[in-house]
Amino acid sequence: GDSVTQMEGPVTLSEEAFLTINCTYTATGYPSLFWYVQYPGEGLQLLLKATKADDKGSNKGFEATYRKETTSFHLEKGSVQVSDSAVYFCALKYGTASKLTFGTGTRLQVTL
Amino acid sequence: KAGVTQTPRYLIKTRGQQVTLSCSPISGHRSVSWYQQTPGQGLQFLFEYFSETQRNKGNFPGRFSGRQFSNSRSEMNVSTLELGDSALYLCASSIAGQGHLTGELFFGEGSRLTVL
Repeated sequence: GDSVTQMEGPVTLSEEAFLTINCTYTATGYPSLFWYVQYPGEGLQLLLKATKADDKGSNKGFEATYRKETTSFHLEKGSVQVSDSAVYFCALKYGTASKLTFGTGTRLQVTL
Repeated sequence: KAGVTQTPRYLIKTRGQQVTLSCSPISGHRSVSWYQQTPGQGLQFLFEYFSETQRNKGNFPGRFSGRQFSNSRSEMNVSTLELGDSALYLCASSIAGQGHLTGELFFGEGSRLTVL
């Protein structure tokens, strides 16, 4: 079956550091890929998405590229802020379906 | 535009009881899906409803059920509660199936259920 694997957290960075959170997937078809973010006490917010190979999703300084050859969708940001502290989830789904398959989440802690 | 609204936000039940959670989707969204979030199992898909019909179901026992009303509002019910049902239950709405390819999901803040 389909699955998503994320790097173990927590990831602790100083403000303005470069961020990479690794995400790889196993899929039987050609899914769309997503990054969601969850701030403390809140639900999930869509951060960015990519619907096909080589697409790059970007939002709020975060980027991720859909790499079919390495089955990866790594999240990057050039300079993190304290306000980026949250849990980040990588996920996939197919077409118009609403079933998302999530990774286990990676907690990011950014300090001054 | 109002987001996805879930009620109640917090609730405490005891083993053997049942619980009903409510979700109001974003206006115009006809797809509502439910997820369970626990520290051990992470985020797991429960089921999806579209136009009052269950369209997809995850791997959960029959104690977990749901329904959708004509105004797209949805409820999920868990009967005979167990300690392991303690979780954050998230509802998401989408325009999926209404002619949009990716149908991104918009999540509510969740209902946190504690079973004692």
